[in-house]
Amino acid sequence: DTGVSQDPRHKITKRGQNVTFRCDPISEHNRLYWYRQTLGQGPEFLTYFQNEAQLEKSRLLSDRFSAERPKGSFSTLEIQRTEQGDSAMYLCASSRQATTNEKLFFGSGTQLSVL
Amino acid sequence: LAKTTQPISMDSYEGQEVNITCSHNNIATNDYITWYQQFPSQGPRFIIQGYKTKVTNEVASLFIPADRKSSTLSLPRVSLSDTAVYYCLVGEGTNAGKSTFGDGTTLTVKP
Repeated sequence: DTGVSQDPRHKITKRGQNVTFRCDPISEHNRLYWYRQTLGQGPEFLTYFQNEAQLEKSRLLSDRFSAERPKGSFSTLEIQRTEQGDSAMYLCASSRQATTNEKLFFGSGTQLSVL
Repeated sequence: LAKTTQPISMDSYEGQEVNITCSHNNIATNDYITWYQQFPSQGPRFIIQGYKTKVTNEVASLFIPADRKSSTLSLPRVSLSDTAVYYCLVGEGTNAGKSTFGDGTTLTVKP
């Protein structure tokens, strides 16, 4: 179990630029989640995949955000035309689909700063 | 999705037992209660999960009364390294990842 890895750990960009983050889940996990976390608050759900299918998107996920998981393994989260309000920690988590109780395993996140 | 309420912060001293209570009055029948720990600049880490009564593992205990409208995370003999934010998460067992985290409880352990 190598854990969930996210890349990069930190990203600084200028307003209006596009950024892409990558998440590699635990290999046998078929579910993958993206969250956003701002200072002093808990993580907010953005979207999740079951295998390669994106099953749900939060209302927080504006049209500038897109996520993919093309082969049901790693996932990418792209933010187009970044705004200062996009500055946050973006967390990825994975889990094995459970019949009763689901446990999430989180990566260390990508800290985005939009200048 | 069930809304949770936790104290914003708590202080303790090394070696003491710490109990953090979470209120979830509108918990649904299929909901599980899960606690996560988060250190600065890291993602949350699973601590313990339960549905009813008491659950214990190597790091914590979780107490859930019969009405399930609250739960208490118990950390025995805390150390300085237990200083972190603790989140109570309530959600459908098969879709816990969509649950609302809330703002958590910041536990500060003092020497």
